[in-house]
Amino acid sequence: KNQVEQSPQSLIILEGKNCTLQCNYTVSPFSNLRWYKQDTGRGPVSLTIMTFSENTKSNGRYTATLDADTKQSSLHITASQLSDSASYICVVSDRGSTLGRLYFGRGTQLTVWP
Amino acid sequence: EADIYQTPRYLVIGTGKKITLECSQTMGHDKMYWYQQDPGMELHLIHYSYGVNSTEKGDLSSESTVSRIRTEHFPLTLESARPSHTSQYLCASGSTSGGNNEQFFGPGTRLTVL
Repeated sequence: KNQVEQSPQSLIILEGKNCTLQCNYTVSPFSNLRWYKQDTGRGPVSLTIMTFSENTKSNGRYTATLDADTKQSSLHITASQLSDSASYICVVSDRGSTLGRLYFGRGTQLTVWP
Repeated sequence: EADIYQTPRYLVIGTGKKITLECSQTMGHDKMYWYQQDPGMELHLIHYSYGVNSTEKGDLSSESTVSRIRTEHFPLTLESARPSHTSQYLCASGSTSGGNNEQFFGPGTRLTVL
C-alpha cells in the first residue's frame, strides 16, 4: 500500500532556531517528492520538488533532502520566522499513473514563537 | 503564484440545502481535482477530471458530484448537505505535459453544515 508518513506530528520552536521535519514513504514506482507549505485555511503551496536522481534542493531558507534508497526525505528550515508557522506536507507522486496521482502525508504542524 | 480560484471561501448552511462550490483556473490545465481535508488529516481525492466532459470518482467516497463543461471550470455540487459534509474542500489543477505531476491548489472552501 502506498503511504507517506511524517514526523513529528507537531513542533514548536523559537524564532531564529532551525528545525528538521521528516518524511518516510512507500510509494512505488517513485516519480518525485514535494514539500508543500499550507497556511491555516489556505491551499498548499509547493516549496521544493525532487526527482529520483536529486538528493537535495533548496528554496531560500528551506532545504529538502531525499534518500531514494531508504525512501526518506527531510525538510530543514533555517533561521525560522514567525511566518513559517504552518503545516508542512510531504507529497509523493508515483510514476505509474497517468492521472498524476499524489500521496499525501498528514503534515507536521510547525509553530514558531517569538 | 498559481491562478486557481475557489468561491465561496467560507460557507455555513443548514442541513438539506443544495450547494455548489466553484473552482476556476486560468492556466489552461487539462487535469483538475477536488480534495477533502479534515483538520490534522491528509488530503483525500474525491473527484478528478482529465479534461472536458471527463469526470471520475477519487479514492474517498463522496456524495458530491462534479462537472467539466469547460476546461477552466470544475464545480462541485452537493444536492442535500448534511453535517457529515462539514470539511475543507480544495480544488487543484495540473498539466499533462512536463511529467512531474505538479498540482496547483486553490485557497479552499471551508464548509460547515449545521
